[in-house]
Amino acid sequence: GAGVSQSPSNKVTEKGKDVELRCDPISGHTALYWYRQSLGQGLEFLIYFQGNSAPDKSGLPSDRFSAERTGGSVSTLTIQRTQQEDSAVYLCASSLAGVSYEQYFGPGTRLTVT
Amino acid sequence: AQRVTQPEKLLSVFKGAPVELKCNYSYSGSPELFWYVQYSRQRLQLLLRHISRESIKGFTADLNKGETSFHLKKPFAQEEDSAMYYCALAFYYTGANSKLTFGKGITLSVRP
Repeated sequence: GAGVSQSPSNKVTEKGKDVELRCDPISGHTALYWYRQSLGQGLEFLIYFQGNSAPDKSGLPSDRFSAERTGGSVSTLTIQRTQQEDSAVYLCASSLAGVSYEQYFGPGTRLTVT
Repeated sequence: AQRVTQPEKLLSVFKGAPVELKCNYSYSGSPELFWYVQYSRQRLQLLLRHISRESIKGFTADLNKGETSFHLKKPFAQEEDSAMYYCALAFYYTGANSKLTFGKGITLSVRP
């Protein structure tokens, strides 16, 4: 079947605007992750959803960042009042269960804040 | 604190040369370690995990608990191995809560 999909693939926004990034995980995968990939910083964990448990938000860099996952499937990452330092590639991944399982990554959303 | 360290940002070798991509970790529990790879214009994907003890595309990685290392090795590099490689550690921190933490990655460039 289809892999993890993300939309949009590219997003250019002005500083101060809000953005929403979408992730469609692989059907049947209970775990969903958001990461941020930027030059020199590698892959930075943002948030992790596992089944019906409360999400692990410990990686969110500020309260401008939030994410939700509806119906155990689609997830949206929202960044409010974007700043230039938010510019990065945002990756979503899903896995069958927890972190011991292979993570399947989406193609990413490249966010540019001008 | 749990941490994954990839000390080098770039490794450039000639085709046919041996490759070793270094990864060190810090974790007090029993580690689960992975190598992920991202080829140019492709998605990040799993290369191998230490539990499987397998060789993928000629790459192997052995967990050395004494040295807290999980270095990725290949005896003869190929041009198609050129990619970004990330080492990752899965750990549990409270009860059933768990997380996968990645190193900063290393770019492998294999020259013809």
